[in-house]
Amino acid sequence: EIVMTQSPATLSVYPGERATLSCRASQSVTNNLAWYQQKPGRAPRLLIYSASTRAPGIPGRFSGSGSGTDFTLTISSLQSEDFAVYYCQQYNQWPPVTFGQGTKVEIK
Amino acid sequence: EVQLLESGGDLVQPGGSLRLSCAASGFTFSSYAMTWVRQAPGKGLEWVSTISGSGDSTYYADSVKGRFTISRDNAKKMMYLQMNSLRGDDTAVFYCAKAAGPNSCRLEYWGQGSLVTVSS
Repeated sequence: EIVMTQSPATLSVYPGERATLSCRASQSVTNNLAWYQQKPGRAPRLLIYSASTRAPGIPGRFSGSGSGTDFTLTISSLQSEDFAVYYCQQYNQWPPVTFGQGTKVEIK
Repeated sequence: EVQLLESGGDLVQPGGSLRLSCAASGFTFSSYAMTWVRQAPGKGLEWVSTISGSGDSTYYADSVKGRFTISRDNAKKMMYLQMNSLRGDDTAVFYCAKAAGPNSCRLEYWGQGSLVTVSS
Protein backbone atom coordinates (compact mmCIF):
# COMPACT_ATOMS: atom_id res chain seq x y z
CA GLU A 1 0.00 0.00 0.00
CA ILE A 2 1.28 3.47 -0.88
CA VAL A 3 1.15 5.79 2.12
CA MET A 4 0.51 9.46 1.41
CA THR A 5 1.80 11.96 3.99
CA GLN A 6 0.76 15.60 3.93
CA SER A 7 2.38 18.50 5.71
CA PRO A 8 1.72 20.61 7.57
CA ALA A 9 -1.45 19.42 9.27
CA THR A 10 -2.60 23.01 9.64
CA LEU A 11 -1.43 26.09 7.74
CA SER A 12 -2.33 29.55 9.02
CA VAL A 13 -2.21 32.17 6.29
CA TYR A 14 -3.30 35.78 5.85
CA PRO A 15 -5.70 36.47 2.98
CA GLY A 16 -3.70 37.47 -0.09
CA GLU A 17 -0.64 35.48 0.96
CA ARG A 18 0.78 32.40 -0.74
CA ALA A 19 0.11 28.95 0.67
CA THR A 20 2.32 25.95 -0.04
CA LEU A 21 1.10 22.47 0.83
CA SER A 22 3.19 19.32 0.59
CA CYS A 23 2.37 15.69 -0.12
CA ARG A 24 4.84 12.82 -0.06
CA ALA A 25 4.29 9.27 -1.29
CA SER A 26 5.99 6.26 0.28
CA GLN A 27 6.98 5.11 -3.22
CA SER A 28 6.80 6.61 -6.67
CA VAL A 29 3.36 7.38 -8.04
CA THR A 30 4.86 8.97 -11.20
CA ASN A 31 2.48 11.88 -11.87
CA ASN A 32 -0.74 10.06 -10.92
CA LEU A 33 -1.52 12.45 -8.11
CA ALA A 34 -4.66 14.51 -7.49
CA TRP A 35 -5.51 17.31 -5.09
CA TYR A 36 -8.99 17.87 -3.68
CA GLN A 37 -10.51 20.74 -1.73
CA GLN A 38 -13.16 20.15 0.91
CA LYS A 39 -15.12 22.83 2.71
CA PRO A 40 -17.06 22.09 5.91
CA GLY A 41 -20.20 20.07 5.27
CA ARG A 42 -19.45 19.79 1.57
CA ALA A 43 -18.21 17.08 -0.74
CA PRO A 44 -14.59 17.14 -1.93
CA ARG A 45 -13.89 18.88 -5.23
CA LEU A 46 -11.15 17.95 -7.68
CA LEU A 47 -8.63 20.77 -8.07
CA ILE A 48 -5.57 19.25 -9.74
CA TYR A 49 -4.89 15.95 -11.51
CA SER A 50 -1.83 14.43 -13.12
CA ALA A 51 0.10 16.39 -10.47
CA SER A 52 -0.12 19.70 -12.31
CA THR A 53 -3.24 19.93 -14.49
CA ARG A 54 -6.03 22.12 -13.20
CA ALA A 55 -9.50 20.62 -13.36
CA PRO A 56 -12.10 22.53 -15.39
CA GLY A 57 -13.27 25.71 -13.69
CA ILE A 58 -10.44 25.84 -11.15
CA PRO A 59 -8.89 29.32 -10.82
CA GLY A 60 -5.36 29.94 -12.00
CA ARG A 61 -4.15 30.78 -8.50
CA PHE A 62 -4.11 27.02 -7.81
CA SER A 63 -1.09 25.18 -9.16
CA GLY A 64 0.42 21.76 -8.63
CA SER A 65 3.92 20.47 -9.14
CA GLY A 66 6.10 17.46 -8.51
CA SER A 67 6.52 13.89 -9.68
CA GLY A 68 7.63 10.61 -8.23
CA THR A 69 7.26 10.95 -4.47
CA ASP A 70 7.17 14.68 -3.70
CA PHE A 71 4.35 17.00 -4.66
CA THR A 72 3.28 20.55 -3.91
CA LEU A 73 0.00 22.43 -4.13
CA THR A 74 0.44 26.20 -4.24
CA ILE A 75 -2.28 28.78 -3.82
CA SER A 76 -0.69 31.98 -5.03
CA SER A 77 -2.93 34.53 -3.29
CA LEU A 78 -5.41 33.13 -0.81
CA GLN A 79 -8.99 34.24 -1.16
CA SER A 80 -11.61 33.88 1.55
CA GLU A 81 -13.21 30.97 -0.28
CA ASP A 82 -9.93 29.02 -0.30
CA PHE A 83 -9.90 28.36 3.44
CA ALA A 84 -10.65 24.64 3.52
CA VAL A 85 -9.07 21.22 3.94
CA TYR A 86 -6.94 19.92 1.08
CA TYR A 87 -6.25 16.25 0.36
CA CYS A 88 -3.81 14.59 -1.98
CA GLN A 89 -4.61 11.19 -3.51
CA GLN A 90 -2.55 8.74 -5.51
CA TYR A 91 -4.16 6.71 -8.27
CA ASN A 92 -1.02 5.20 -9.76
CA GLN A 93 -1.04 1.87 -7.96
CA TRP A 94 -4.35 0.61 -6.67
CA PRO A 95 -6.13 -0.98 -4.97
CA PRO A 96 -6.02 0.47 -2.51
CA VAL A 97 -6.51 4.06 -3.53
CA THR A 98 -4.90 6.18 -0.83
CA PHE A 99 -5.39 9.71 0.41
CA GLY A 100 -3.22 11.89 2.55
CA GLN A 101 -4.57 12.86 5.96
CA GLY A 102 -5.32 16.41 4.82
CA THR A 103 -3.99 19.92 5.38
CA LYS A 104 -6.32 22.49 6.88
CA VAL A 105 -5.74 26.00 5.56
CA GLU A 106 -7.04 28.50 8.07
CA ILE A 107 -7.17 32.27 8.36
CA LYS A 108 -4.32 33.78 10.34
CA GLU B 1 -23.96 18.68 -16.19
CA VAL B 2 -22.74 15.72 -14.15
CA GLN B 3 -24.93 14.99 -11.16
CA LEU B 4 -24.53 12.28 -8.54
CA LEU B 5 -27.15 11.78 -5.86
CA GLU B 6 -26.64 9.33 -3.01
CA SER B 7 -29.47 7.90 -0.95
CA GLY B 8 -30.11 5.19 1.58
CA GLY B 9 -28.12 6.43 4.53
CA ASP B 10 -29.74 5.76 7.90
CA LEU B 11 -29.26 4.79 11.52
CA VAL B 12 -28.64 1.04 11.80
CA GLN B 13 -27.73 -1.25 14.66
CA PRO B 14 -24.37 -3.01 14.83
CA GLY B 15 -24.51 -6.20 12.82
CA GLY B 16 -27.21 -4.78 10.59
CA SER B 17 -27.36 -4.16 6.86
CA LEU B 18 -27.97 -1.17 4.63
CA ARG B 19 -27.89 -0.48 0.89
CA LEU B 20 -26.70 2.82 -0.47
CA SER B 21 -27.65 4.00 -3.94
CA CYS B 22 -26.07 6.56 -6.26
CA ALA B 23 -28.11 7.97 -9.12
CA ALA B 24 -26.02 9.40 -11.96
CA SER B 25 -26.90 11.76 -14.78
CA GLY B 26 -25.21 14.03 -17.27
CA PHE B 27 -22.67 11.56 -18.68
CA THR B 28 -22.40 8.18 -20.41
CA PHE B 29 -22.57 6.13 -17.22
CA SER B 30 -21.24 2.83 -18.57
CA SER B 31 -18.04 4.50 -19.81
CA TYR B 32 -16.77 5.39 -16.35
CA ALA B 33 -15.67 3.59 -13.25
CA MET B 34 -17.47 4.59 -10.10
CA THR B 35 -16.17 4.71 -6.55
CA TRP B 36 -17.40 4.94 -2.97
CA VAL B 37 -15.36 7.02 -0.53
CA ARG B 38 -16.28 7.50 3.11
CA GLN B 39 -15.44 10.03 5.78
CA ALA B 40 -15.89 9.30 9.46
CA PRO B 41 -16.92 12.26 11.63
CA GLY B 42 -14.03 14.70 11.92
CA LYS B 43 -11.69 12.42 9.95
CA GLY B 44 -10.16 12.26 6.50
CA LEU B 45 -11.19 10.55 3.29
CA GLU B 46 -11.09 6.75 3.05
CA TRP B 47 -11.49 4.85 -0.21
CA VAL B 48 -14.06 2.05 0.14
CA SER B 49 -14.68 0.42 -3.24
CA THR B 50 -14.49 0.89 -7.00
CA ILE B 51 -16.36 -0.77 -9.85
CA SER B 52 -15.28 -0.62 -13.49
CA GLY B 53 -17.48 0.91 -16.16
CA SER B 54 -18.63 -2.47 -17.40
CA GLY B 55 -19.15 -3.76 -13.87
CA ASP B 56 -16.85 -6.70 -14.54
CA SER B 57 -14.19 -5.63 -12.07
CA THR B 58 -14.66 -4.66 -8.46
CA TYR B 59 -12.17 -3.61 -5.80
CA TYR B 60 -12.47 -3.21 -2.05
CA ALA B 61 -10.59 -1.78 0.89
CA ASP B 62 -9.44 -4.45 3.31
CA SER B 63 -11.59 -2.84 6.00
CA VAL B 64 -14.80 -3.71 4.12
CA LYS B 65 -13.83 -6.78 2.08
CA GLY B 66 -16.25 -9.62 2.66
CA ARG B 67 -18.86 -7.31 4.21
CA PHE B 68 -19.60 -4.76 1.47
CA THR B 69 -20.60 -5.41 -2.15
CA ILE B 70 -20.47 -2.81 -4.89
CA SER B 71 -22.62 -3.15 -8.00
CA ARG B 72 -24.05 -1.09 -10.81
CA ASP B 73 -26.96 -1.10 -13.23
CA ASN B 74 -25.81 0.69 -16.36
CA ALA B 75 -29.28 0.70 -17.89
CA LYS B 76 -30.62 2.60 -14.88
CA LYS B 77 -27.45 4.68 -14.37
CA MET B 78 -27.30 3.53 -10.78
CA MET B 79 -24.54 2.33 -8.48
CA TYR B 80 -25.08 0.53 -5.20
CA LEU B 81 -23.21 -0.39 -2.06
CA GLN B 82 -24.64 -3.28 -0.07
CA MET B 83 -23.27 -3.10 3.45
CA ASN B 84 -23.61 -6.08 5.78
CA SER B 85 -22.30 -6.83 9.27
CA LEU B 86 -22.04 -3.12 9.98
CA ARG B 87 -19.83 -1.97 12.84
CA GLY B 88 -19.49 1.25 14.79
CA ASP B 89 -16.39 2.22 12.84
CA ASP B 90 -18.42 2.15 9.63
CA THR B 91 -20.19 5.31 10.79
CA ALA B 92 -19.41 7.90 8.12
CA VAL B 93 -20.64 10.04 5.31
CA PHE B 94 -20.44 7.92 2.16
CA TYR B 95 -19.72 9.71 -1.11
CA CYS B 96 -20.13 8.30 -4.58
CA ALA B 97 -17.70 9.61 -7.16
CA LYS B 98 -17.31 9.44 -10.92
CA ALA B 99 -13.89 8.44 -12.20
CA ALA B 100 -12.05 9.88 -15.20
CA GLY B 101 -12.31 6.70 -17.27
CA PRO B 102 -13.60 3.12 -17.36
CA ASN B 103 -10.87 1.78 -15.08
CA SER B 104 -9.62 4.91 -13.38
CA CYS B 105 -9.59 6.08 -9.79
CA ARG B 106 -9.06 9.75 -10.49
CA LEU B 107 -12.28 11.12 -9.01
CA GLU B 108 -13.68 13.93 -11.13
CA TYR B 109 -17.09 14.48 -9.62
CA TRP B 110 -18.54 13.71 -6.21
CA GLY B 111 -22.04 13.44 -4.84
CA GLN B 112 -23.18 15.34 -1.76
CA GLY B 113 -22.87 12.31 0.51
CA SER B 114 -25.16 10.05 2.53
CA LEU B 115 -24.77 9.60 6.29
CA VAL B 116 -24.58 6.10 7.72
CA THR B 117 -24.72 5.85 11.51
CA VAL B 118 -24.10 2.48 13.16
CA SER B 119 -25.22 2.55 16.76
CA SER B 120 -27.44 0.70 19.19
